[in-house]
Amino acid sequence: SQQGEEDPQALSIQEGENATMNCSYKTSINNLQWYRQNSGRGLVHLILIRSNEREKHSGRLRVTLDTSKKSSSLLITASRAADTASYFCATDRGSTLGRLYFGRGTQLTVWP
Amino acid sequence: DVKVTQSSRYLVKRTGEKVFLECVQDMDHENMFWYRQDPGLGLRLIYFSYDVKMKEKGDIPEGYSVSREKKERFSLILESASTNQTSMYLCASSRARSALHFGNGTRLTVT
Repeated sequence: SQQGEEDPQALSIQEGENATMNCSYKTSINNLQWYRQNSGRGLVHLILIRSNEREKHSGRLRVTLDTSKKSSSLLITASRAADTASYFCATDRGSTLGRLYFGRGTQLTVWP
Repeated sequence: DVKVTQSSRYLVKRTGEKVFLECVQDMDHENMFWYRQDPGLGLRLIYFSYDVKMKEKGDIPEGYSVSREKKERFSLILESASTNQTSMYLCASSRARSALHFGNGTRLTVT
């Protein structure tokens, strides 16, 4: 059963623009994680934000978490064609030994 | 760097065959997971394991079994492959409460 739901399902932008993807979830969480998947490959972990954190940065990535609204956003600044991938949020409910619940993902396409 | 290795990138099997998908990790992680990924359905958890010889059902365990005899290896078994098990299979490992590290996936086709 999915926990997170990403929005939008697909996003198409030009190089240099910012890309914002949103994730909503339904239950309380221990942490929320964002992953990236290039076509036909495995997922790669991008960033983890704990339930007591509100914002986190990593390079061109900025993640926010609003536990009162049960939502998170991933911002990629100054997008590059190489950022083209699917992006997934995943939630750790804190109950079962690190099991994550994934959303269906946002497909980001960055045009040169 | 953590490495999670899945034994095959592509696999083609016939209906009714017994299929083994192997996954090995080299970072002494306690947790290992098997997901399948289908278009429009995202990642769905089949089974996971938090210790040697321990296993827990995920959301879609029917038609699958798993084996974890050694800490570094987690095998997914399709007892009698069916066409609806055609999918991308992803293995992952982690320490408790930490990020998952994924293999590159096995694309299984059952004909």
